[in-house]
Amino acid sequence: QQQVKQSPQSLIVQKGGISIINCAYENTAFDYFPWYQQFPGKGPALLIAIRPDVSEKKEGRFTISFNKSAKQFSLHIMDSQPGDSATYFCAATLNPSGTASKLTFGTGTRLQVTL
Amino acid sequence: KAGVTQTPRYLIKTRGQQVTLSCSPISGHRSVSWYQQTPGQGLQFLFEYFSETQRNKGNFPGRFSGRQFSNSRSEMNVSTLELGDSALYLCASSLGGNTQYFGPGTRLTVL
Repeated sequence: QQQVKQSPQSLIVQKGGISIINCAYENTAFDYFPWYQQFPGKGPALLIAIRPDVSEKKEGRFTISFNKSAKQFSLHIMDSQPGDSATYFCAATLNPSGTASKLTFGTGTRLQVTL
Repeated sequence: KAGVTQTPRYLIKTRGQQVTLSCSPISGHRSVSWYQQTPGQGLQFLFEYFSETQRNKGNFPGRFSGRQFSNSRSEMNVSTLELGDSALYLCASSLGGNTQYFGPGTRLTVL
């Protein structure tokens, strides 16, 4: 059962534009929502993360918006650059015991930023 | 600090063989998780080890196993390889909280 649904599958944005990737989750017990960026041939790199008690978190050009009632969260990349071209994964996890737990990933969004 | 390292980076095996992959976590991290990444199934959790104990396991057959050593280094083993086991195997380390840092992965090709 797909517990984290991610859209779109691919996205083309012009340089300087805003890239928006959306995710929806089913398990209301999830309490940590990270976004990962992956370049070809590399492992995923943590980009930004949010907890459900916060509606928005911003780090540089990257912003997570979180809607707990709708069980949705999204990544906004402002002023998108060609170097942002990569695959982005949303994820969710629950961590009741304070120990590392399994990440449930979305299916990924391939972002291409054109000149 | 050095990041998560995985060896080897590339492997080619034939069906029926077994394979062992290695992961060295970030210094001080005691939790190591393993994930399988394929184009069809995406990123899927295999298992997680903390202080040499498996604490969490994904929905993979028993051919997939792992262990963790006292220095937190971890290995995963896949026995009786199948074509469908071809994937990028990723290791992630954590201090014990939610934040997980991934290594570059081991690309396994089964012929």
